Amino acid sequence: DVKVTQSSRYLVKRTGEKVFLECVQDMDHENMFWYRQDPGLGLRLIYFSYDVKMKEKGDIPEGYSVSREKKERFSLILESASTNQTSMYLCASIVSRWGQGNSPLHFGNGTRLTVT
Amino acid sequence: GENVEQHPSTLSVQEGDSAVIKCTYSDSASNYFPWYKQELGKRPQLIIDIRSNVGEKKDQRIAVTLNKTAKHFSLHITETQPEDSAVYFCAASTPPDSWGKFQFGAGTQVVVTP
Repeated sequence: DVKVTQSSRYLVKRTGEKVFLECVQDMDHENMFWYRQDPGLGLRLIYFSYDVKMKEKGDIPEGYSVSREKKERFSLILESASTNQTSMYLCASIVSRWGQGNSPLHFGNGTRLTVT
Repeated sequence: GENVEQHPSTLSVQEGDSAVIKCTYSDSASNYFPWYKQELGKRPQLIIDIRSNVGEKKDQRIAVTLNKTAKHFSLHITETQPEDSAVYFCAASTPPDSWGKFQFGAGTQVVVTP
């Protein structure tokens, strides 16, 4: 079974701090994603990566960046945290798209970030 | 881009009754539609999915139907039980071009009362 692990369940940070959210998957998936979950808005894609060193913007990338130095690890970075970034952050991975047909996302347990 | 609308936002049902959640999508190229269940404090988990070449799929008490012409798909839960209480999300994508890039609905909070 795929395991996607997010390093923190809860984080409280101050406005202006640099925040790192870490995610590790153990299934050798090439593709990893960061989603943000807010009530009434569902899940929205922030950034994703199809390979090491690669990154692409999702639907709401403003105020965020990412790092993918190793295949199994995908980090979300809030360069200068703001109160409107208070949210639940979900990391996900998915098998390679090549020759696999459609496939669902495998999610981590989420990190609930509060910015005060 | 793709836009997915989900209704209702909340759904209360008596144990044993059926529950139906509906989603509409805007991009006719979308061809893969998973449904996720998220219990309180837990990760979203896939419960059923459907591809555009199929009109209906069942797995025990849950089923999903797809109407490509009307661009909508629905989740049906029969004989609901208290453990069905959760938030349910529909999603749509257009693989392989948008691999893993799903557009999600806003979610439906389902409450099953004994």
